[in-house]
Amino acid sequence: GESVGLHLPTLSVQEGDNSIINCAYSNSASDYFIWYKQESGKGPQFIIDIRSNMDKRQGQRVTVLLNKTVKHLSLQIAATQPGDSAVYFCAGSTGGGNKLTFGTGTQLKVEL
Amino acid sequence: KAGVTQTPRYLIKTRGQQVTLSCSPISGHRSVSWYQQTPGQGLQFLFEYFSETQRNKGNFPGRFSGRQFSNSRSEMNVSTLELGDSALYLCASSLWVRSDTQYFGPGTRLTVL
Repeated sequence: GESVGLHLPTLSVQEGDNSIINCAYSNSASDYFIWYKQESGKGPQFIIDIRSNMDKRQGQRVTVLLNKTVKHLSLQIAATQPGDSAVYFCAGSTGGGNKLTFGTGTQLKVEL
Repeated sequence: KAGVTQTPRYLIKTRGQQVTLSCSPISGHRSVSWYQQTPGQGLQFLFEYFSETQRNKGNFPGRFSGRQFSNSRSEMNVSTLELGDSALYLCASSLWVRSDTQYFGPGTRLTVL
């Protein structure tokens, strides 16, 4: 079956450094990917998404890279801030639908 | 524009009872999806509704059901509650049905005793 996410469970970075959170997926037919941030007690918050016809997409302080050859995507956060501390999930869908398969998540800890 | 709202935010039920959770999507959004989040299984897709029709269903028993109303609001129901149903139930809405960005609500925390 399809699976998404070979996350490191925890990533610790210093404030001001760049963070890179990685994610792998198994279904080569996956054509849409999305990153969410979830803070304690809250629902997942949309960060950025990318479709399979793209390799890279940039937002405000965030960049998502998609490597379809090795079925890997990453989320880069520039100048990481304490407010970035949260659990980050990648998710993917197949066939143009809205059914998302989520990875297990990476806890990002920002040290002052 | 208001975000996705879910009610109630917290629920405590006992085994064997049934529960109904409600979700109001972002104004103009027509697709509503439900997810269950637990520490052990993570985020798992339950079902998706669009124009009052279920378009997709995850691998959950028939005790889990849902519906969508003409105003796009959605409800999910869990009958004959089990201890393992304790979870955060999340609703997400999107404008359309084809790989569209889904925005999540805060969730309903269900505890089954």
